[in-house]
Amino acid sequence: KNQVEQSPQSLIILEGKNCTLQCNYTVSPFSNLRWYKQDTGRGPVSLTIMTFSENTKSNGRYTATLDADTKQSSLHITASQLSDSASYICVVAGGGNKLTFGTGTQLKVEL
Amino acid sequence: DAGITQSPRHKVTETGTPVTLRCHQTENHRYMYWYRQDPGHGLRLIHYSYGVKDTDKGEVSDGYSVSRSKTEDFLLTLESATSSQTSVYFCAISESDVNRGMRSPLHFGNGTRLTVT
Repeated sequence: KNQVEQSPQSLIILEGKNCTLQCNYTVSPFSNLRWYKQDTGRGPVSLTIMTFSENTKSNGRYTATLDADTKQSSLHITASQLSDSASYICVVAGGGNKLTFGTGTQLKVEL
Repeated sequence: DAGITQSPRHKVTETGTPVTLRCHQTENHRYMYWYRQDPGHGLRLIHYSYGVKDTDKGEVSDGYSVSRSKTEDFLLTLESATSSQTSVYFCAISESDVNRGMRSPLHFGNGTRLTVT
C-alpha cells in the first residue's frame, strides 16, 4: 500500500530559528515528490517538486532534500518567520499513477 | 495565485439534499481535479477531468458525480448529501496529468467548506 508518513505532527518554534520536517514514503515506483504549504483556510501552495535525480532543491528559505534510496525527504526552513506558520504537506507521485498525500506537519512560529 | 475560483466558499445543507460545487479557472489548463480534505487524512482524489466531457473516478468517488462542459468549469455534485460528506473540498488544476507522474505543478483553489447536518 502506498503511504506517506510525516513527522512531527506538530511543531512550535521561535521566530528566527531553523527547523526540519520529515517525510517517509513507501510509494513505488517513484515519479516525483512535492512539498506544499497550506495556510489556514487556504488551498495548498507548491514549494518544490523533485524527481529521482534531484537531491536538493531550494525555494527561498525553504530547502527540500530527497534520498530516493531510503525513501526519505526533508524540508528545512531557515530563519523562520511568523508567516511560516502553516501546515506543510508532502506528496509523492507514482505507485499506480496517482498522488499520495501525507497528513501534514502543523508548524507554529512564535515571537 | 493561479486563477482558480471555488464557489460557494461555505455551505450548510441538510442530509438528502443535492449540492453542487463549482470550480472556475482562468488558466486554460487541461486537467482539473476535485479533492476532499478531512482531519487525519491526506487529501483524497474524488474525480478528475482530462478534457471537456472527459472525466474519471478517483479513490473516493462514491456518492459524487462531476461534469465539465467547458474548459474553465468543473462541477462536483453530491446527488444526496450525507453527513460523511461533511468536508473541505478543493479544486485543483494542472497543465499535464500529475496522476501519471508528470511534474507539472498542481495549483489549488481555496476550498469550499461543506457541512451536512
